[in-house]
Amino acid sequence: GAVVSQHPSRVICKSGTSVKIECRSLDFQATTMFWYRQFPKQSLMLMATSNEGSKATYEQGVEKDKFLINHASLTLSTLTVTSAHPEDSSFYICSARDARHVLPDQPQHFGDGTRLSIL
Amino acid sequence: DAKTTQPPSMDCAEGRAANLPCNHSTISGNEYVYWYRQIHSQGPQYIIHGLKNNETNEMASLIITEDRKSSTLILPHATLRDTAVYYCIVRVGGAGNNRKLIWGLGTSLAVNP
Repeated sequence: GAVVSQHPSRVICKSGTSVKIECRSLDFQATTMFWYRQFPKQSLMLMATSNEGSKATYEQGVEKDKFLINHASLTLSTLTVTSAHPEDSSFYICSARDARHVLPDQPQHFGDGTRLSIL
Repeated sequence: DAKTTQPPSMDCAEGRAANLPCNHSTISGNEYVYWYRQIHSQGPQYIIHGLKNNETNEMASLIITEDRKSSTLILPHATLRDTAVYYCIVRVGGAGNNRKLIWGLGTSLAVNP
């Protein structure tokens, strides 16, 4: 089945640091990837939709200058949390859908998430 | 996209069938029902989806009522590794890959030995 790899799985860093998270589709091409954030005991909240070769679409309330998204190829999207602060500590998850499938109901496939802890 | 309602938690004995209900009474004719699960500290895992007909795959069965206002995910022989939060989501199909998934709080399923 479709595999999405996310790296790193865990990051612990000091306040003010910028952190980059990678999301790769390993065995398929993804023109669109999605970035989510999940706080403890809460559900997934969509942050942005990443489109290959164009600007990401951010959800309301998500600062695009703080959460930089780059989708330079059909298999890689990156999320950079700039000048991270303790309130940015969360579980960040990406997902992707196989671009080859033309059917409208194809599911998204998720990475295993990145646990970000800002001290 | 239609909203879904799920019980917050359920228990199931190992080896027995786990039946997880989902209410989506405002579902539209072109909205699919998707089920995902999330094991602790991992990303969500796709389980199954359907539009009108019942569906079965190697993981589970999806039973959708005739009026499509509710559905049930069935894990036929639950194991301890099926302990997870199960999410029922409805989403419109159609053109474009940018259709969002709106996540609720799901059902926390505990499979007990």
